[in-house]
Amino acid sequence: GAVVSQHPSRVICKSGTSVKIECRSLDFQATTMFWYRQFPKKSLMLMATSNEGSKATYEQGVEKDKFLINHASLTLSTLTVTSAHPEDSSFYICSATQGLAYNEQFFGPGTRLTVL
Amino acid sequence: DAKTTQPTSMDCAEGRAANLPCNHSTISGNEYVYWYRQIHSQGPQYIIHGLKNNETNEMASLIITEDRKSSTLILPHATLRDTAVYYCIVRVAGDMRFGAGTRLTVKP
Repeated sequence: GAVVSQHPSRVICKSGTSVKIECRSLDFQATTMFWYRQFPKKSLMLMATSNEGSKATYEQGVEKDKFLINHASLTLSTLTVTSAHPEDSSFYICSATQGLAYNEQFFGPGTRLTVL
Repeated sequence: DAKTTQPTSMDCAEGRAANLPCNHSTISGNEYVYWYRQIHSQGPQYIIHGLKNNETNEMASLIITEDRKSSTLILPHATLRDTAVYYCIVRVAGDMRFGAGTRLTVKP
């Protein structure tokens, strides 16, 4: 199956700093990428949807100025958590879909963010 | 997208078949049923999906009832590595919306 990578896999930062997480589709061109957040013992919550070359669509309650998403190419999307605070500590997961929207999504391995 | 209902947790003996049910009584005609699983601290892994017919791949089988209001994911010979949270998702297109899923524990 198609492979999606994320970098870094784990990051620890101080409160107030910004953190960038990369999501790459390694062997296919991703028309759409998605970003999820998962808190301990909870399910995945969709944060935003992004299509290459256009602005991301954010879910209700997700601050677009805090979680900046850039989808500059068909193989790369980035999520920047700006001015991170301890409550932003979470497991961030991206996924990508190829071609038609009803195709299965391929998920990355996730990035564990800890804000001190 | 239609909502799904799954049991919170299930146990299965190693080597036996694991049958995970999912109710999706409000499913519409053009919605697919997808199954993913998530092993602790990893990203979700695609398992299988179907529309009307039963489906089988190297990982599992998907049985969809004739009225499409429920489905069952079957892992034919569960191993300890199949311990994970299993998500049943119904969608037409676009994003995946995850419910709470079923925590399957395979025991020796």
